[in-house]
Amino acid sequence: DTGVSQDPRHKITKRGQNVTFRCDPISEHNRLYWYRQTLGQGPEFLTYFQNEAQLEKSRLLSDRFSAERPKGSFSTLEIQRTEQGDSAMYLCASSDRKGTEAFFGQGTRLTVV
Amino acid sequence: QQQVKQSPQSLIVQKGGISIINCAYENTAFDYFPWYQQFPGKGPALLIAIRPDVSEKKEGRFTISFNKSAKQFSLHIMDSQPGDSATYFCAAMIAGNQFYFGTGTSLTVIP
Repeated sequence: DTGVSQDPRHKITKRGQNVTFRCDPISEHNRLYWYRQTLGQGPEFLTYFQNEAQLEKSRLLSDRFSAERPKGSFSTLEIQRTEQGDSAMYLCASSDRKGTEAFFGQGTRLTVV
Repeated sequence: QQQVKQSPQSLIVQKGGISIINCAYENTAFDYFPWYQQFPGKGPALLIAIRPDVSEKKEGRFTISFNKSAKQFSLHIMDSQPGDSATYFCAAMIAGNQFYFGTGTSLTVIP
């Protein structure tokens, strides 16, 4: 399978705990995006990388959120001190340098209890 | 504020009918308009896309109509099939940066 891979697929955590998600993009893609999707809504942009450089961050990305893409390969999204409002599907997408044809992974569904 | 407004929220169509989903935007800097299809538990999948210098694009049963002056674009699904039942999102992008998604349309095609 050469698509975008996300791990884990599901995560249940207690409020206040830290969680980390991983995304492996399509290998030749140098752009990587993180989006968040809540039930009944479209995906909302969180951040994106061009290779290892984080080029843009949404105001949705509070100080509790951090994303990295070491060496321009896989990426991690960490949420510290999780809150119930963080419960959502976290989607990763990758694209070539043009950034138009973006391919999404299957997402990580986070439930904070 | 919602950069891209999508309607209707839900749509029920008979098999073989035409499904039409509409989107509107305000920012004239948008230069790429894709449509994504999403099945439950899956990530969105790119269906078809258009740039504002073209008024229509057709791929198989899927057609995008684009009206630059009205700042509107729509997805038409011809000969709708039960397998087309999914949530459809329109989106808009500026210069290869982030996508702004609509709120989605849940399509149900009745056999």
